[in-house]
Amino acid sequence: AQKITQTQPGMFVQEKEAVTLDCTYDTSDPSYGLFWYKQPSSGEMIFLIYQGSYDQQNATEGRYSLNFQKARKSANLVISASQLGDSAMYFCAMREGPYNFNKFYFGSGTKLNVKP
Amino acid sequence: GAVVSQHPSRVICKSGTSVKIECRSLDFQATTMFWYRQFPKQSLMLMATSNEGSKATYEQGVEKDKFLINHASLTLSTLTVTSAHPEDSSFYICSAREASGDNEQFFGPGTRLTVL
Repeated sequence: AQKITQTQPGMFVQEKEAVTLDCTYDTSDPSYGLFWYKQPSSGEMIFLIYQGSYDQQNATEGRYSLNFQKARKSANLVISASQLGDSAMYFCAMREGPYNFNKFYFGSGTKLNVKP
Repeated sequence: GAVVSQHPSRVICKSGTSVKIECRSLDFQATTMFWYRQFPKQSLMLMATSNEGSKATYEQGVEKDKFLINHASLTLSTLTVTSAHPEDSSFYICSAREASGDNEQFFGPGTRLTVL
């Protein structure tokens, strides 16, 4: 079974509108971390936001928020007030286990296009 | 934030030659580094986990004799693609975690390898 599933290969959003990128995960480990990364065409991976499995509150970082629904095993990324510079690939990832050396699993990614 | 560099950023080589890619943590000590491979428009695939002072742990299906990993110091890991062939052409990305760090892994900017 896939550890991380991103079901939207591509998304379009109008500039200044909000967009939600879906991510579901699969693990039986009670301790895990969920991450979102942005990858522009240059290829670098840019960290956006993190949610720990024991965190009670949804994570927020500026225009990014993570809608964490533990029972449904979903960790959707919400980008508010989209900007043209948000056009990129977005990857959801999970660290399975509590330790720094635990490996990450990545989803297949969602290509976001922001229209002017 | 922590900075990870990769060198070279781009390399073109002839089939049969070996190529070395360096991954350096510039302002922190990284006991664990990870090597990923990314084909065009696909997700990151973990190749191996590199721990300082010990042998790398390779993911299933990754040839350890083909992709030699050395993590000689707390700030440097190298990936050598031996006897490269055109099918080894890909984008190689490393990431590193701080020894006493939080949850995040810091990514290098990637190396684009083209084997002719």
